[in-house]
Amino acid sequence: DGGITQSPKYLFRKEGQNVTLSCEQNLNHDAMYWYRQDPGQGLRLIYYSQIVNDFQKGDIAEGYSVSREKKESFPLTVTSAQKNPTAFYLCASSTPGGGETDTQYFGPGTRLTVL
Amino acid sequence: AQRVTQPEKLLSVFKGAPVELKCNYSYSGSPELFWYVQYSRQRLQLLLRHISRESIKGFTADLNKGETSFHLKKPFAQEEDSAMYYCALGGGATNKLIFGTGTLLAVQP
Repeated sequence: DGGITQSPKYLFRKEGQNVTLSCEQNLNHDAMYWYRQDPGQGLRLIYYSQIVNDFQKGDIAEGYSVSREKKESFPLTVTSAQKNPTAFYLCASSTPGGGETDTQYFGPGTRLTVL
Repeated sequence: AQRVTQPEKLLSVFKGAPVELKCNYSYSGSPELFWYVQYSRQRLQLLLRHISRESIKGFTADLNKGETSFHLKKPFAQEEDSAMYYCALGGGATNKLIFGTGTLLAVQP
């Protein structure tokens, strides 16, 4: 199950602090995604990037920021502006193209808890 | 608006019973439908996609454009099928997926 890794597995944050979640992939995928998974709400897209140095907001981008300086890396920062940051965060990657939606490969996730 | 609906939060069946996990979608374009599965303590992973028209672990799903559905079926459930199942909708140039809220399948011995 290698290929896409997330760290740390568990993260605790005090209110008012920013925190950065790591996502790295060695699958040579162009596209990367960040989702938030909450019980009863499924997965909701936070940000996505189809190519290095470019990214777009997803459905729930408020209070989050990302960067895509390298193809392999897509870190997510949860800022103090995010009102309800406690959640399970999933990173995914895929190779877009071919006119079809490609399979997304997911990392193991990071569980963030705000104390 | 694009939307995926999974009406059941929990589906409990006995081993050997048939299983049908429901998924309905709304999409104005040409939809691409997927089922992703998350077993306990494992990563979310693709189970099957409609364009492949294949059976994975005994599961099949047929895209019904008239009913805008993509229900997941298996004739005889196994205990190892117990997991969270997500239906997802793709399509368009962005390669984005829209996920449903998920159905937890519990197969009782």
